[in-house]
Amino acid sequence: EMQLEESGGDLVQPGESLRLSCVASGFPFSRYWMTWVRQAPGKGLEWVANIKFDGHERNYVDSVKGRFTISRDNANNSVYLQMNSLSAEDAAVYYCARDRYDMDVWGKGTTVTVS
Amino acid sequence: SYEVTQPPSVSVSPGQTARITCSGDALPKRYAYWYQQKSGQAPVLVIFEDSKRPSGIPERFSASTSGTLATLTISGAQVEDEADYYCYSTDITGNRNWVFGGGTKLTVL
Repeated sequence: EMQLEESGGDLVQPGESLRLSCVASGFPFSRYWMTWVRQAPGKGLEWVANIKFDGHERNYVDSVKGRFTISRDNANNSVYLQMNSLSAEDAAVYYCARDRYDMDVWGKGTTVTVS
Repeated sequence: SYEVTQPPSVSVSPGQTARITCSGDALPKRYAYWYQQKSGQAPVLVIFEDSKRPSGIPERFSASTSGTLATLTISGAQVEDEADYYCYSTDITGNRNWVFGGGTKLTVL
């Protein structure tokens, strides 16, 4: 069974940093792009960032450029999101997803609270 | 930055056909994807590449694109289809910079 499991969400203060992790299982992780999507409380989905299967291409939504960094470790089937200079606008549930252009496998999400 | 636009809400009675639209200037050249999100759950892909249905998605879910408008159709909507629906696409450059629509709350009652 294909699975993704996020972790690392926490309560932080404005200006602090946090690193989210997502571990994949049940599919050949190194062959797929991976994406982070977030959802602020009561709001819609927002695409945040993605990374190519070999890590050599990364894209970000404008609002996180320069503050967030997506990375991956194919040896450990993991993708990460390093988030710096967090603000209240970054508070959300963060999902990782397998990216084939569509996103067909999702984790359950991890919650980031900034207060 | 590029945007795709959805109506905030659609309401139908059980058994009726629900149609949710998504408008975007790049849709004539870029695929639309549709996700269903039920309350408290992660999103689920229900349509990919404009009109294709993943395995396990009921046949009552279909979609099409005409010009700058993509439409998700749920034929014979059921109470369990009540959810938020999001379209997803990218701008004309085709770079993997994606955008979600604002979401449409489908009420079936």
